[in-house]
Amino acid sequence: SQELEQSPQSLIVQEGKNLTINCTSSKTLYGLYWYKQKYGEGLIFLMMLQKGGEEKSHEKITAKLDEKKQQSSLHITASQPSHAGIYLCGADSAGGFKTIFGAGTRLFVKA
Amino acid sequence: GVTQSPTHLIKTRGQQVTLRCSSQSGHNTVSWYQQALGQGPQFIFQYYREEENGRGNFPPRFSGLQFPNDSSELNVNALELDDSALYLCASSSTTGRGAYNEQFFGPGTRLTVL
Repeated sequence: SQELEQSPQSLIVQEGKNLTINCTSSKTLYGLYWYKQKYGEGLIFLMMLQKGGEEKSHEKITAKLDEKKQQSSLHITASQPSHAGIYLCGADSAGGFKTIFGAGTRLFVKA
Repeated sequence: GVTQSPTHLIKTRGQQVTLRCSSQSGHNTVSWYQQALGQGPQFIFQYYREEENGRGNFPPRFSGLQFPNDSSELNVNALELDDSALYLCASSSTTGRGAYNEQFFGPGTRLTVL
């Protein structure tokens, strides 16, 4: 079965610093999603990537998909306390009916 | 948006529980996920137009229903301690491989089994 590995597991950064979170799939990716979750709450959709090399941005968050490496990266520029939370990557299964998630990266931003 | 009830729930081992979800209007697909503490969500099952469309690695004591009025239920029988988790429902308007599958998640129900 497909697995998604996220790194790092947790991250503490000083406000204003840039950071990158990685998500690597054990199998071919058919769509890669990034979500943000505040602790104990539901998931907020950030963006979806479908094609190799595709790059999308939302405010100060940019995500890129490397289809050959079966990997996606999420980059936050000039981090703010509002960026704190859990970032989850998800991918469509081969059958397409379910989304598989990584374990998440816990981001803490120090003011 | 997607709403879930109740917000929190405490049950004892062996009991049965029903969790409810109200999908975003117009969405014909609802998926349920279990998220244990410190883990990512694990897919339980998906319902499409009131029929189960796919299932993850969960035993039959996890069952569901989807109703025509944008509501759905997750039922868990014979609760075990390991069922303690955040249960999330997500609604979307498409299914199928390669389809755009943006899911809108509810805030979740926190279930504690003692």
